[in-house]
Amino acid sequence: DGGITQSPKYLFRKEGQNVTLSCEQNLNHDAMYWYRQDPGQGLRLIYYSQIVNDFQKGDIAEGYSVSREKKESFPLTVTSAQKNPTAFYLCASSTAVSGANVLTFGAGSRLTVL
Amino acid sequence: DQQVKQNSPSLSVQEGRISILNCDYTNSMFDYFLWYKKYPAEGPTFLISISSIKDKNEDGRFTVFLNKSAKHLSLHIVPSQPGDSAVYFCAAIRGAQKLVFGQGTRLTINP
Repeated sequence: DGGITQSPKYLFRKEGQNVTLSCEQNLNHDAMYWYRQDPGQGLRLIYYSQIVNDFQKGDIAEGYSVSREKKESFPLTVTSAQKNPTAFYLCASSTAVSGANVLTFGAGSRLTVL
Repeated sequence: DQQVKQNSPSLSVQEGRISILNCDYTNSMFDYFLWYKKYPAEGPTFLISISSIKDKNEDGRFTVFLNKSAKHLSLHIVPSQPGDSAVYFCAAIRGAQKLVFGQGTRLTINP
């Protein structure tokens, strides 16, 4: 069954700690994305990668880092430099459907900083 | 700069009636517009899209209308069902660029 797997689903972190969120897809999609969802602000793009070993900053990349060593995997590290990391994080991958860039999303990871 | 805006944070509709979700955009160069539906603690799922060269696209109970002169699109759900209660995001894209999402509208269908 093809899809995107995000783990962990819930994560708690102490201030000053780095944490890494996992995202794996078996859809054979080239592009992958990380979004952050906050109440009233919709989905904001953190980083995206269109091919292996390449990635670009999104609108709110500060305090985050990513890697894309394999087509299937796009982990996101939330560093201690991220001032307000408590949020719901969504990973997605994309293919073109009838010309539209349709994203398939994972189930999300909720990060809470204690 | 918010290129895609959903000005209604929430909408409440009675079961069986029509739900109309609205979205405005500022960039006239967008090629495609998409609607996603999201349940709590889950990822959004793709619902329906429309090309900028069309003014209407229909899929079952869901119809999206595009008014390019007004830079406005809307999603109509007829008839509304309890399972339609969710947050709806509109999104837009130009060429191979990244999707731009609106803030979302929480739809509640009342029995």
